[in-house]
Amino acid sequence: NAGVTQTPKFQVLKTGQSMTLQCAQDMNHEYMSWYRQDPGMGLRLIHYSVGAGITDQGEVPNGYNVSRSTTEDFPLRLLSAAPSQTSVYFCASSYGRGHFPGELFFGEGSRLTVL
Amino acid sequence: KNQVEQSPQSLIILEGKNCTLQCNYTVSPFSNLRWYKQDTGRGPVSLTIMTFSENTKSNGRYTATLDADTKQSSLHITASQLSDSASYICVVSDRDGNKLVFGAGTILRVKS
Repeated sequence: NAGVTQTPKFQVLKTGQSMTLQCAQDMNHEYMSWYRQDPGMGLRLIHYSVGAGITDQGEVPNGYNVSRSTTEDFPLRLLSAAPSQTSVYFCASSYGRGHFPGELFFGEGSRLTVL
Repeated sequence: KNQVEQSPQSLIILEGKNCTLQCNYTVSPFSNLRWYKQDTGRGPVSLTIMTFSENTKSNGRYTATLDADTKQSSLHITASQLSDSASYICVVSDRDGNKLVFGAGTILRVKS
């Protein structure tokens, strides 16, 4: 099993550009989520999904969109990048059902810099 | 506001020594408390998950304790190794479960 795979690992954008961070898992997990990690702060939840076709907002959703058309994939879209979105982004999945995530399995992260 | 505070922010110890990391939280009611290890440039990896009814849980040289009355948890690392150098993150789940509250982490450096 590859686990949780994130691409790209590094990306530099200019202010106003859009892009999509990809996340795929091969563990048949229903729960998937996106976090951002900033220096000196804990991971903060951006969006999450409890199953295909179902998404919901987390703590810091503004400026980001998600969709969940399949169980395996959960892409994160930045609509119009801003310097405040410079961060390391982590995708995580879990076998948890409903709204309770069990043990979270994280991807290796995507480091995004917005100039 | 639900918060998770970890201490110390950073710690340097000699290889072979023991250490204890602290986690205080204000999340209430809470469902479970987790400890993760995050190596530099990698994603976090789960060490332990404890529900409110558990007092201690071990994973090899890592032992987590939980006092739900005082809302405190600790992670004890025994006989530290160089590979233990990492950030250790405490995470508390509220009753909703889907919104985990992450601490900022304790950066541990083990030197020879």
